[in-house]
Order: sequence, then C-alpha cells, then structure tokens
Amino acid sequence: GESVGLHLPTLSVQEGDNSIINCAYSNSASDYFIWYKQESGKGPQFIIDIRSNMDKRQGQRVTVLLNKTVKHLSLQIAATQPGDSAVYFCAENPGGFKTIFGAGTRLFVKA
Amino acid sequence: DTEVTQTPKHLVMGMTNKKSLKCEQHMGHRAMYWYKQKAKKPPELMFVYSYEKLSINESVPSRFSPECPNSSLLNLHLHALQPEDSALYLCASSQDTGAADEKLFFGSGTQLSVL
Repeated sequence: GESVGLHLPTLSVQEGDNSIINCAYSNSASDYFIWYKQESGKGPQFIIDIRSNMDKRQGQRVTVLLNKTVKHLSLQIAATQPGDSAVYFCAENPGGFKTIFGAGTRLFVKA
Repeated sequence: DTEVTQTPKHLVMGMTNKKSLKCEQHMGHRAMYWYKQKAKKPPELMFVYSYEKLSINESVPSRFSPECPNSSLLNLHLHALQPEDSALYLCASSQDTGAADEKLFFGSGTQLSVL
C-alpha cells in the first residue's frame, strides 16, 4: 500500500539553529498534509498543515513546504529550542478519515 | 476545552482478563478514533466512529471491541489479548467536516501491557 516516509530517522541540532525535517509521500491523490509533534509520554500534537493547492505555509516559528512535483514535504523550525525535542510525524490524508502517518523523525536539541 | 482525556494511563492485564479503555472529549467533535502505536513506530488506525456510528474498522481482531455511547465518549473493550497487543493506545477526535482536512486531536494514550 501507499505510505508516507521520512528521509532521516534522527536529527540532532544545536539550540538556536534552524531545523529541517523532510518527508516523502507516495499517494498523489493526497490533498491534505499535516505535521504532528509527539513528546515522550504524550499523544501526537498538531503543529501545522497544508492543502495540496499551496506550496508553503507559515506558523509561529514553523514553516511547511510542499513540493508536489517530487512528492516531498518538509517542516522547518526556526531558532530551535530544547522544548522542540520530540518525534515529528508527517501525515497525509487522501480523503475521509484515514490519516496515514510517516515513520517519524526524532529531533534532539543540544544546549 | 481542547483536551482529549484517556483513562487509565497505564494498564497491565493477563491474557484472560477483560478490561476497557475510555476516552472523552468535550470539543463538540463528531468523529472519534482509536489508534495503536508500538514503540518507535507511527500510530496505526484501528477504528473510526462518525456521528456515533462505526465508520472504519481496519480489520482489527475481534478481541478488540469499540463502543461509542455518545458523541463525547469512546470505549475500547479488551478481551483475551495477546502479549503482542502490548502498545500505546491513542484516542483522537476531529470535527468531521466531511472534507479531507480532518485535524486530529489526540489524548495522551493508555500504555497497555499484556502478560
């Protein structure tokens, strides 16, 4: 079946630096993409989303980029902080209730 | 209130036990979900309820039995589980807009250990 995947399982960055987490998706029918953050002992939390008719969307310190040509999604975190340490999942929704999660990237922030 | 509350947080059960996981939300969401998450893996969809009716069952074994008593509550009844069923069970809710942009709100999960 089709799935969402990630290029890197772990990412280590220095506090204050920018982080970029990448994701590849394979379902060209997907219309909606989401990034979730999961901290230890908690459920995934919504960070930011983007529809397929957009290529960029910005939030507070986070930006999501969508490249439909190569089926690539990325999450950029500006001025990474220790509180950003978590596992980040990209997810896609081709329609309906079936949100499909990628494998996840663990982000370590070094003080 | 933007919380999804799950109880218990931890559960240890034997293979012959019967137990239930509970989930509650008061955001007025009409879709509720059960996901299963193994360690270091992404969440996997198990069940979806829409307007209190079962909409999706992802071929989950019958030893897992979901129930949606009303739009705010979701239960997962467990019976005769196997050790490989040990995992984090996550409840989520969404508005159920009918469109693809269903933003999920997750609870903190129940960490289940089957002995």
